[in-house]
Amino acid sequence: GENVEQHPSTLSVQEGDSAVIKCTYSDSASNYFPWYKQELGKGPQLIIDIRSNVGEKKDQRIAVTLNKTAKHFSLHITETQPEDSAVYFCAASMEGGSEKLVFGKGTKLTVNP
Amino acid sequence: NAGVMQNPRHLVRRRGQEARLRCSPMKGHSHVYWYRQLPEEGLKFMVYLQKENIIDESGMPKERFSAEFPKEGPSILRIQQVVRGDSAAYFCASSPPGVAGTGNEQFFGPGTRLTVL
Repeated sequence: GENVEQHPSTLSVQEGDSAVIKCTYSDSASNYFPWYKQELGKGPQLIIDIRSNVGEKKDQRIAVTLNKTAKHFSLHITETQPEDSAVYFCAASMEGGSEKLVFGKGTKLTVNP
Repeated sequence: NAGVMQNPRHLVRRRGQEARLRCSPMKGHSHVYWYRQLPEEGLKFMVYLQKENIIDESGMPKERFSAEFPKEGPSILRIQQVVRGDSAAYFCASSPPGVAGTGNEQFFGPGTRLTVL
């Protein structure tokens, strides 16, 4: 089955700096890759996603890149703000298959003011 | 447009009791997923349901756990004879019926935090 590895597990940056979180997946059939932000005591919030027919997607300060050949994808947050502090999860699934999401273990991002 | 709703938000049970967790999907969504999250870990898939059908239960323990999504009413995750190891946060997610280009976008509820004493 699918396995998703995520790193780093913790990331601390200064306000205004960029943050990059990387994930690798094992199943070449996976074709949908969402990213979620989870704040303490809350449910995961979908912040951006990418499908395998696209190499990059951007939404304001966040962007995601996908390398299908290497089976890895990354989240980039620019101009970080303290409110970006949270745990970020990557996930992978196969559209048209079981549709279950397989999650990485998360990255705790801290943005220091 | 209300998001995914879950109740209760917190549930305390003693070992051997039953736990019932409820999930109401977003309006217009007919697919429901349940995930479990242990402290400091990612979410683990348990079960995927459509109205009156279990599509994939590969992540659900074979014993004591069951799930349903009836024609009317919320989806229910039921845990019988709870043990301390069942203590976790249980999240429900929903997605709309399959439409070209929408893929598997899943929207999560706030979760139910189950504590087994």
